[in-house]
Amino acid sequence: RKEVEQDPGPFNVPEGATVAFNCTYSNSASQSFFWYRQDCRKEPKLLMSVYSSGNEDGRFTAQLNRASQYISLLIRDSKLSDSATYLCVVTLADKLVFGAGTILRVKS
Amino acid sequence: EPEVTQTPSHQVTQMGQEVILRCVPISNHLYFYWYRQILGQKVEFLVSFYNNEISEKSEIFDDQFSVERPDGSNFTLKIRSTKLEDSAMYFCASGLSSGGAEDTQYFGPGTRLTVL
Repeated sequence: RKEVEQDPGPFNVPEGATVAFNCTYSNSASQSFFWYRQDCRKEPKLLMSVYSSGNEDGRFTAQLNRASQYISLLIRDSKLSDSATYLCVVTLADKLVFGAGTILRVKS
Repeated sequence: EPEVTQTPSHQVTQMGQEVILRCVPISNHLYFYWYRQILGQKVEFLVSFYNNEISEKSEIFDDQFSVERPDGSNFTLKIRSTKLEDSAMYFCASGLSSGGAEDTQYFGPGTRLTVL
């Protein structure tokens, strides 16, 4: 079983749409959880940390369910500039463990 | 805003040659990391470094790899004898702490290594 599993997509959505990404992780020892964004051939950039209580940053909402080892990201009112690969990331001891990413394409 | 920097942005080398990839982490960070991403694949952990020693390494990080913090600002990754399969994007990252609420890692722009 993959350590961090994501639907690869691509998700093709119109501008203004709401889109949701899901992620599961296999190791219950994981302590911290993040969504990173990666543009083509660029470095991963932190989008937001994910907490059990859920957290929101503008149009982005992230949720964590530790019991089911499930993480989600909701993007509302999608913009063309949201087009990227979204990486679900968990920590294990000292390192980040990355999912393979979900591709989002927002079209006008 | 402080950022992680990496040089060179692109390195082309012949198989069997040694390469050194350089990174300047964010100045007050204490934890340093190397990751790699083969084209079309996921980002993979290579090694973490704290207090002038390796704290964790993956199975990818074999005897051909080494890391060093030669002075107070630079953090380097050396590949002793490159192989074709070492071709990848290598990302350096740094963080203020590890394993807690402030354990966010910030990534440099990467060095694209091409082994011919």
